[in-house]
Amino acid sequence: DIQLTQSPSSLSASVGDRVTITCQASQDISRYLNWFQQKPGKAPKLLIHATSNLETGVPSRFSGSGSGTVFIFTISSLQPEDVATYYCQRYDSLPLTFGGGTKVHIK
Amino acid sequence: QVQLQESGPGLVKPSQTLSLTCTVSGGSISGGSYYWNWIRQTPGKGLEWIGRFYIRGSTDYNPSLNGRVTISLDTSNNQFSLKLISVTAADTAVYYCARTVQGLREFDYWGPGILVTVSS
Repeated sequence: DIQLTQSPSSLSASVGDRVTITCQASQDISRYLNWFQQKPGKAPKLLIHATSNLETGVPSRFSGSGSGTVFIFTISSLQPEDVATYYCQRYDSLPLTFGGGTKVHIK
Repeated sequence: QVQLQESGPGLVKPSQTLSLTCTVSGGSISGGSYYWNWIRQTPGKGLEWIGRFYIRGSTDYNPSLNGRVTISLDTSNNQFSLKLISVTAADTAVYYCARTVQGLREFDYWGPGILVTVSS
């Protein structure tokens, strides 16, 4: 299976800070990568599909980039409501897999 | 607005079969080019895709489940189900159902999840 490695596994930042999460694939997955946000006790929510396409209604402070094996998820100005765990997920081939998650805290 | 809701027993004994149903509302389960997925989440292994049923009749399963999984559709009740046989404590997880729009979006709608514990 193609593995996704996220880093860091957790981070703490201040409100207004720029936050960056990296997702590295063990093989080339082109741009077949999504990003999800999960708040405690809730299902994951699709934020970004196909590397960089923001879902309708998702604030523009969220963005994604990358291709091949390295992908970047950015929150341009961290807000209190962004406290959550973020996951990357690949869909280039089966089985579909997720990254291990990055837990974002407010400092 | 499409909504998904998981249902089923919250406790299953080891070696028995875990059976869950996902009821879809706000749209027809057979109304488009959809895959209907099951995904589970554990603290240890994180999010794990279990498998999916494609509305045209095919299924795909994660090989990690070693052939223990069956996903089926019930279009008359707008539901799809998961059966996982020979469960062990390692199958204890929150189970989610989720929709994929073929060629467009993976997992764009999710159910709230159901905790299933495998214990005697």
